[in-house]
Amino acid sequence: GQQVMQIPQYQHVQEGEDFTTYCNSSTTLSNIQWYKQRPGGHPVFLIQLVKSGEVKKQKRLTFQFGEAKKNSSLHITATQTTDVGTYFCAGPGTGNQFYFGTGTSLTVIP
Amino acid sequence: DGGITQSPKYLFRKEGQNVTLSCEQNLNHDAMYWYRQDPGQGLRLIYYSQIVNDFQKGDIAEGYSVSREKKESFPLTVTSAQKNPTAFYLCASSKGPAPYEQYFGPGTRLTVT
Repeated sequence: GQQVMQIPQYQHVQEGEDFTTYCNSSTTLSNIQWYKQRPGGHPVFLIQLVKSGEVKKQKRLTFQFGEAKKNSSLHITATQTTDVGTYFCAGPGTGNQFYFGTGTSLTVIP
Repeated sequence: DGGITQSPKYLFRKEGQNVTLSCEQNLNHDAMYWYRQDPGQGLRLIYYSQIVNDFQKGDIAEGYSVSREKKESFPLTVTSAQKNPTAFYLCASSKGPAPYEQYFGPGTRLTVT
């Protein structure tokens, strides 16, 4: 099936430091979604990007969609302990379903 | 209170037994999905359904079966043919196929010994 790769797999940061996770697809994506899964919880939708080069912000979170629509990033400014969790990107496949990336697990050290 | 429910939260079974995981949604969503999540891995698609009485295999459908007799319900059966069934199973629904956002249930953690 389609592959959506995410790096890094794990990231530990001190509270207040910034964090970035990257998502790369082998094919051009019509859109990309980002989800957050808290420890012990289930994924929750954060945002969807559609346009080439699109940048969207949600408070301290900045989401970017690459110009070629093959990559995306999520940047968190000044992390807080509430940011702990695993962040997944998801891109559409050929059969109207989404393929999820492997996720980046973020640990924030207080 | 709209949402998607899965039961039970934890499930224990002996090897060789079939087990059915429940997924119900009252969001009036057409599409429903089943994912499997293993430690350190992303969500892998087992089956999905875009409409009642129709479903398609995902990447890891072997050893699993589903039905979609009602819009609200999409149960997953883990059969004895599934070689490594112990995992966290997540059900999701969306208004329609991609690119609609998916709403996830709380998940069922299945342990087979």
